[in-house]
Amino acid sequence: DAGVIQSPRHEVTEMGQEVTLRCKPISGHNSLFWYRQTMMRGLELLIYFNNNVPIDDSGMPEDRFSAKMPNASFSTLKIQPSEPRDSAVYFCASRGGSTDTQYFGPGTRLTVL
Amino acid sequence: DAKTTQPTSMDCAEGRAANLPCNHSTISGNEYVYWYRQIHSQGPQYIIHGLKNNETNEMASLIITEDRKSSTLILPHATLRDTAVYYCIVHNYGQNFVFGPGTRLSVLP
Repeated sequence: DAGVIQSPRHEVTEMGQEVTLRCKPISGHNSLFWYRQTMMRGLELLIYFNNNVPIDDSGMPEDRFSAKMPNASFSTLKIQPSEPRDSAVYFCASRGGSTDTQYFGPGTRLTVL
Repeated sequence: DAKTTQPTSMDCAEGRAANLPCNHSTISGNEYVYWYRQIHSQGPQYIIHGLKNNETNEMASLIITEDRKSSTLILPHATLRDTAVYYCIVHNYGQNFVFGPGTRLSVLP
């Protein structure tokens, strides 16, 4: 069982550039979550999908952020254009079965210069 | 709207039991108590969850008081690798997890 897979693990980019973060959930899980973690705000939910459909995107900071889930095994979180305040660790988590337990990936550390 | 209260930090000697408390006095009857931990630079890791009864798995034990207003996570024999931030979360099935600041546990040699 490979767990939730995220790529890249680290990303350094310049302000104004487009950033795409990727996530592969655990096989068979039907819910996927994107979180952001900063020292100031802690761990925050950005958006979550159920059966590939976005259910709640109220945590997405602004229009520069977008997320997609084209199929059950892949999701992306895109920031365009990126800003220094987007620097954070972004986690993906997935959930499946009869419990609400979420399983987190290792995260992507994003630095926007 | 924090539903849980945890100490900011705790220390524990290696090999001893680590007892992490959590207050959730406003918990409702259908809300679960979940525990996660986050080791430095890693994603949050699920530990255990329960509704009313005490629970035990290979990682830890969860003791929930009879009135369900508080709980304790017990790591029976803490090791240096258990140093992490521990999150206690009150969760209603189908709702989203809300992570607070947690307890920073330091296991000391």
